[in-house]
Amino acid sequence: DTAVSQTPKYLVTQMGNDKSIKCEQNLGHDTMYWYKQDSKKFLKIMFSYNNKELIINETVPNRFSPKSPDKAHLNLHINSLELGDSAVYFCASSMGGGRASYEQYFGPGTRLTVT
Amino acid sequence: AQTVTQSQPEMSVQEAETVTLSCTYDTSESNYYLFWYKQPPSRQMILVIRQEAYKQQNATENRFSVNFQKAAKSFSLKISDSQLGDTAMYFCAHAGNNRKLIWGLGTSLAVNP
Repeated sequence: DTAVSQTPKYLVTQMGNDKSIKCEQNLGHDTMYWYKQDSKKFLKIMFSYNNKELIINETVPNRFSPKSPDKAHLNLHINSLELGDSAVYFCASSMGGGRASYEQYFGPGTRLTVT
Repeated sequence: AQTVTQSQPEMSVQEAETVTLSCTYDTSESNYYLFWYKQPPSRQMILVIRQEAYKQQNATENRFSVNFQKAAKSFSLKISDSQLGDTAMYFCAHAGNNRKLIWGLGTSLAVNP
């Protein structure tokens, strides 16, 4: 069973388009995250939700909008895609509270290519 | 400010040998967690090992162990009996009370046959 899944794994699209990436976790975690990994492998946190509530919102263009319909799902919608949005996007989740609350489990990543 | 520094962008090791990856961090918190993650060419991020700051004993997971020096804010990863499958990017990360992980820039490790 996949713990954290993302769809799609690859996404190729043109500038100006709008696209969404979906994430689901079946670990029973209550916190989910979106990361962007650039070509130099640098990981940058974008957003985090805890029980459907936004708790981390880093400096990210307004074109990026996360949506959490329930605590097992966190989707990322991107409007008006730009060349600089090309990257790998990772979804992750973690437990809330307790000693293991900070370790994060990652999805397989979505490689977004904007042409 | 919380920071994580990995001073070795690239390293290589011969198969079956031991290699140590370094990581230093800066934090003002007294209770925190430290992690090493591995990202092989498949790009999957895999948790390798975790250390809780209040535990003095160094964490060990099979061939992977850490040398945690709290006063020096150092958290190095030792890989024993290196295997070809250990070839990956290794990231050190620190987490405080806000659950936000602070990441290092990574060390690319190549295990040579």
